[in-house]
Amino acid sequence: QQQVKQSPQSLIVQKGGISIINCAYENTAFDYFPWYQQFPGKGPALLIAIRPDVSEKKEGRFTISFNKSAKQFSLHIMDSQPGDSATYFCAASFYSGTYKYIFGTGTRLKVLA
Amino acid sequence: DGGITQSPKYLFRKEGQNVTLSCEQNLNHDAMYWYRQDPGQGLRLIYYSQIVNDFQKGDIAEGYSVSREKKESFPLTVTSAQKNPTAFYLCASSVRDPGANVLTFGAGSRLTVL
Repeated sequence: QQQVKQSPQSLIVQKGGISIINCAYENTAFDYFPWYQQFPGKGPALLIAIRPDVSEKKEGRFTISFNKSAKQFSLHIMDSQPGDSATYFCAASFYSGTYKYIFGTGTRLKVLA
Repeated sequence: DGGITQSPKYLFRKEGQNVTLSCEQNLNHDAMYWYRQDPGQGLRLIYYSQIVNDFQKGDIAEGYSVSREKKESFPLTVTSAQKNPTAFYLCASSVRDPGANVLTFGAGSRLTVL
């Protein structure tokens, strides 16, 4: 119940295309769903996040779509650029004295110029 | 600039040796975390601490130890009991406010056992 399943494991997209990464969870106690972006040799950095009371959140070219009934959420990167090439992690968290985070296994995105 | 500093960035260790990874933050965050990252496995929680002089085991604490003597510092010791210590180690911190749910990560330390 604590797992967050992420797919695909890797993704290759042409410049200007749309990148889509999907995640699914089981634990209904999760109340915060962030996406992290990680470049090689660096720590992950928060990209965008959503709470389950909204179905979509958009920040620039990045959009999270959230389906509470299906327990699924996805990251869409519009107009993908070579600079977006990185590993993306979805996560789910809930608060119980401290934040408990469960991370997906990551998606390695490569955007071809 | 506020942030998390991890050192060293690269570390090589012989089998049977203990090593300590440093994590310092100047964000005034109460909570600090250590994660281990292996290819294809995402981030797994080793230990976390909510306040000074208190810490709890995460999902993969065996073979690791931590201390939290100061709010700013949360060092991780990888002991000789850790059977497969080669990995990328990430330190993170957050506030404890339920309304501010953001993990901030350091740049990581890569440990290689020779």
